Amino acid sequence: GNSVTQMEGPVTLSEEAFLTINCTYTATGYPSLFWYVQYPGEGLQLLLKATKADDKGSNKGFEATYRKETTSFHLEKGSVQVSDSAVYFCALTSGTYKYIFGTGTRLKVLA
Amino acid sequence: GAVVSQHPSRVICKSGTSVKIECRSLDFQATTMFWYRQFPKQSLMLMATSNEGSKATYEQGVEKDKFLINHASLTLSTLTVTSAHPEDSSFYICSASTGTSYEQYFGPGTRLTVT
Repeated sequence: GNSVTQMEGPVTLSEEAFLTINCTYTATGYPSLFWYVQYPGEGLQLLLKATKADDKGSNKGFEATYRKETTSFHLEKGSVQVSDSAVYFCALTSGTYKYIFGTGTRLKVLA
Repeated sequence: GAVVSQHPSRVICKSGTSVKIECRSLDFQATTMFWYRQFPKQSLMLMATSNEGSKATYEQGVEKDKFLINHASLTLSTLTVTSAHPEDSSFYICSASTGTSYEQYFGPGTRLTVT
């Protein structure tokens, strides 16, 4: 079946550090891939998405590239800020409306 | 565009009572709506999928008589937690899909506390 694997958190970084949160997937067909961010006490906000191989999603300085050969969709940001502290979820959908979520990675950025 | 609201954002109820949570798509018609439950520091667990005008499809292990879902219109779905107990305390999140793609748009969530 389809699945998403995210790196375990929490991830603690200093402000302006480089961020990578790994996400790999298994899926039949050609999934669409998403990164969502959840701030404390809030719902999920779409951060970026990619719908086909080699697509790069980007938003607010975050980027992720859909790599079919490595079945990965790693999230990166060149310089994190304290305000980026949140939980990040990788997710996929493949031919259905059902999302498969990763377990989430908590990011804490220290000033 | 594609905004989803939930009401209430927080609710506290006594054990044994029922509580209703509303999920609305504000600027689009949602052919399909989803209800999730999230435990502290965990991922989202899909509870059920509902299509307008038809019965909801519940995930395995979710009691349909406990969690009543109604999708009465293309912009409104409700989740009623019946005879709530403390173990039902959780963060409930809804999402909606336009039907033109598989992307879901998420509401801000409702924090339910049962005392």
